[in-house]
Amino acid sequence: GAGVSQSPRYKVAKRGQDVALRCDPISGHVSLFWYQQALGQGPEFLTYFQNEAQLDKSGLPSDRFFAERPEGSVSTLKIQRTQQEDSAVYLCASSTGLAGVYNEQFFGPGTRLTVL
Amino acid sequence: GIQVEQSPPDLILQEGANSTLRCNFSDSVNNLQWFHQNPWGQLINLFYIPSGTKQNGRLSATTVATERYSLLYISSSQTTDSGVYFCAVDTGGFKTIFGAGTRLFVKA
Repeated sequence: GAGVSQSPRYKVAKRGQDVALRCDPISGHVSLFWYQQALGQGPEFLTYFQNEAQLDKSGLPSDRFFAERPEGSVSTLKIQRTQQEDSAVYLCASSTGLAGVYNEQFFGPGTRLTVL
Repeated sequence: GIQVEQSPPDLILQEGANSTLRCNFSDSVNNLQWFHQNPWGQLINLFYIPSGTKQNGRLSATTVATERYSLLYISSSQTTDSGVYFCAVDTGGFKTIFGAGTRLFVKA
């Protein structure tokens, strides 16, 4: 596709449910990032993939959060046993270059997660 | 880690006015981008500008890397310019840090 796509766009989960959020990056982009954006705040880094390798997961809030990119393209962010504090918009971005080197990121529309 | 500060936090303009948004960062950066987050939440790329000056229509940006700041200029503002403007940087690692943003409202 022409841009980064994310699905679903909206997700409502009951506390304790598991959720999976999908990101389709721009074709051929090496780098993929996940961010969490709370209401009224800037995006906060969660994790970074270079192709299929997860090189930085220091921003994941807890071990309930897990991300993968098994074939170096589509990525999934999974949240287990969701809590109310997980409610946020989850953004995905991709870049043709490498983080820290040349890194112009393009963002998807986000998934708005609401945990009841 | 690096600190990114944006000012002003909030800005209200009359349509047609000009404005300057500022991004200060506490360490040298490898990458710097300006984004506009529209009212629907989409982050739109404005500039990739780790150094130098760029212009795109009514918008321009300047980054003075040696003095650790970047400026975004909006001229002849329009109501469609409303939203939140973010500066985002990285220092050569894998993590990108966003500022808290400048919330702009342009009145008709």
